[in-house]
Amino acid sequence: EAQVTQNPRYLITVTGKKLTVTCSQNMNHEYMSWYRQDPGLGLRQIYYSMNVEVTDKGDVPEGYKVSRKEKRNFPLILESPSPNQTSLYFCASSLGNSEQFFGPGTRLTVL
Amino acid sequence: GQQLNQSPQSMFIQEGEDVSMNCTSSSIFNTWLWYKQDPGEGPVLLIALYKAGELTSNGRLTAQFGITRKDSFLNISASIPSDVGIYFCAGQTNNAGNMLTFGGGTRLMVKP
Repeated sequence: EAQVTQNPRYLITVTGKKLTVTCSQNMNHEYMSWYRQDPGLGLRQIYYSMNVEVTDKGDVPEGYKVSRKEKRNFPLILESPSPNQTSLYFCASSLGNSEQFFGPGTRLTVL
Repeated sequence: GQQLNQSPQSMFIQEGEDVSMNCTSSSIFNTWLWYKQDPGEGPVLLIALYKAGELTSNGRLTAQFGITRKDSFLNISASIPSDVGIYFCAGQTNNAGNMLTFGGGTRLMVKP
């Protein structure tokens, strides 16, 4: 089944404790991106990647890092999480400029 | 970055009623998209619009790409309980990779 998977789905952590949220797609898509969703703000893009080893900042990149060593994986890294990064995170992938497919989301709480 | 104003923020309607929601932007977009998000899931694409003035239907859903390229609306006719969810508009420009700019969402609740 073609899909985007994220892990973990839920995470509660404390300020300053490094964490990684994984994202994987099995559709051979070049384009992958990370969004955060906050009430009333819709989804805002954090980082995106046009292909392996090519990443770029989205609208709200501060406090986040990403890497794209392989085509299928695009992990989101929070080196020192803070409470304002409490949010619902979505990974998405697409073939070029076509429809983006979203993962199921990761709900992160930073205490 | 660019911002999309989506309204209304929420709607509570009776089953069978028609629904209309819209998005406006201060900037031009080349593509307008409408997504639906069910609880606990990621957004799923409903309709994509690629040309100014385009009117596209998908079952009971109809969406239009405004001629100024700065707005779009989504209509749902004869609503049913499974229409419940959050609807997002999103705009895309050709010079920003595949980045989507999302509206704040419209939460739709349908009373059987």
